Amino acid sequence: QVQLVQSGAEVKKPGSSVKVSCKASGGTFSSYTISWVRQAPGQGLEWMGRIIPILGIANYAQKFQGRVTITADKSTSTAYMELSSLRSEDTAVYYCARADPTANFDYWGQGTLVTVSS
Amino acid sequence: QSALTQPASVSGSPGQSITISCTGTSSDVGGYNYVSWYQQHPGKAPKLMIYDVSNRPSGVSNRFSGSKSGNTASLTISGLQAEDEADYYCSSYTSSSTLYVVFGGGTKLTVL
Repeated sequence: QVQLVQSGAEVKKPGSSVKVSCKASGGTFSSYTISWVRQAPGQGLEWMGRIIPILGIANYAQKFQGRVTITADKSTSTAYMELSSLRSEDTAVYYCARADPTANFDYWGQGTLVTVSS
Repeated sequence: QSALTQPASVSGSPGQSITISCTGTSSDVGGYNYVSWYQQHPGKAPKLMIYDVSNRPSGVSNRFSGSKSGNTASLTISGLQAEDEADYYCSSYTSSSTLYVVFGGGTKLTVL
């Protein structure tokens, strides 16, 4: 059974950065893509970007270009999402999710709450 | 404003059927049979309920079904049960150069 386990909640100051991890188990890590999706309090889902672990190639939503970096470590089956220049509007639950070839997210991490507050 | 348009809320009584619509464009919903539906209970991660427009993952009740016509996809839940009360999101692959998938704004389903 595939499992995605994310790192714990974070509290950050405006202007700082946060790095969230997502460790995969029970499947072939490199065979799929891993996306990061965030959900602000009371809001909907928003796709941020993805990585193709087997290639090490990432692409990002235009909204987050320049502020987000997604990486993957194949040796530990772990994906990372780093978001910089944090502002209060970045307060959200951040999810990692595995996508199949037709962009269906079949497995999700449990979510990581990132709170940005001075 | 979300890329895909869903009604903010729908409701139904136990045993009834409801349908949630998801309207996009020819660059996403209308252009590809890559529409998914997710169920999200409060405080939980989303769960895939329908993939590739009309397919159910193993373990998902056959009370859930999906369809598409033109730029609009639909999720139908028949025989409503109390545990179906949740938020539902559609998503679609998109040919936009700056995105990979787009989500709907979500629909709150209330079981009366």
